[in-house]
Formats: sequence, C-alpha cells, structure tokens
Amino acid sequence: KNQVEQSPQSLIILEGKNCTLQCNYTVSPFSNLRWYKQDTGRGPVSLTIMTFSENTKSNGRYTATLDADTKQSSLHITASQLSDSASYICVVTWDTDKLIFGTGTRLQVFP
Amino acid sequence: DTEVTQTPKHLVMGMTNKKSLKCEQHMGHRAMYWYKQKAKKPPELMFVYSYEKLSINESVPSRFSPECPNSSLLNLHLHALQPEDSALYLCASSQPDLDREKLFFGSGTQLSVL
Repeated sequence: KNQVEQSPQSLIILEGKNCTLQCNYTVSPFSNLRWYKQDTGRGPVSLTIMTFSENTKSNGRYTATLDADTKQSSLHITASQLSDSASYICVVTWDTDKLIFGTGTRLQVFP
Repeated sequence: DTEVTQTPKHLVMGMTNKKSLKCEQHMGHRAMYWYKQKAKKPPELMFVYSYEKLSINESVPSRFSPECPNSSLLNLHLHALQPEDSALYLCASSQPDLDREKLFFGSGTQLSVL
C-alpha cells in the first residue's frame, strides 16, 4: 500500500534553534517528493521538490534530503523564526501523476 | 504572475443554498485541481481538469459540481451541502507536461455549512 508517514506529529522549538522533520514513504513507482509549508487556513506553498537522482536541495533556511534507497526524506530548518510556525507536508508523486500527501508535522516556534 | 487566486476567502452557507467557488490562474497551466482539506488533515483530491476536460473525479458527491469554462478558470458549484462538507477548499494548477513539477496552490476558501 502506498503511504507517506511524517514524524513528529507536532514539534515546539525556541526561536533561533534548528529542527529536522522526517518523512518516510512506501510508494512505487516513485516520481518525486516535495515539501510544502502550510499556514493555518491557507494553501500549501512549495518549499522543495526532489527527483530520484537528487539527494539534497536547499531553499534559504530550508534544506531537504532524500534517500531513495531507504525511502526517507528530511526537512531541516536552520535558525528558526516565528514565521516558520506552520504545518509542513511531505507529498510523494508516484506513477508519474498521482500525489500522496503525508499527514504533516505541526511546527510551533516560540520566542 | 505565479499566483492561483481563489474567491471568496470565506463562505458561510445554509444547506439549501447554492453557491460557487472560483479559482483563477494566468500561468498558462493546463491542469487544474480541487482539493478538500479538513482541519489537521492532508488535502484530499476531488477533481482534476486537464486541458479543460474533467480527467479525474474521486467519487465526489453530486452536490459538488466542477466547471472549467476556459484554461484560466475553474469553478466549484455547491448545492444542498451538508455540515460535514465544511472544510478548506483548495484549488491548484500545474503544467501536466512537466510532471506536475510546478504545482501551485491557491490560498483556499474556508467553507462553513450551517
């Protein structure tokens, strides 16, 4: 069964600290993996997208990694800011055009 | 212009009302999508239009009726909804020939059915 699981479910960190979010998937055939940031009541905004051959991609303070062998991805946030408080969703594309959404990690950054 | 614009941002309707959600993009994308998202849950795909033709209907009840008048516009007509239909409705667009790499979401319409 094709699944995308994220951990932790929620996370609280202090402003300025780093954190890492995890995404494990059992999807085949794999096309690409994306990380989205979603503020409450808003649409998701794309952070990164990685294909099978890419193992790291950065977007400012966000760095995503992909291990296609172990089917794991991580999103590392450096020097967190209050505006990083949001849900982070891992989305895997399989069979070229089908998307599977993870359940997300709710991140709260406190001052 | 790299935006997907959804209107209205908020909508409250009764179970006997008829309303429509609108979505617009001017990025030349030829695939447009409707998603439904309940609180603290991932988005669920409802419909996909590809080149203005309905290509995917994920067994959505007929009280939701999508319409794609042209390549830039996508509507979702609502009639006789139930309170459990209250959710955030997201529109998205992409260029299907590029493996959906550039999948853009709108900000959503927060729908409350009373």
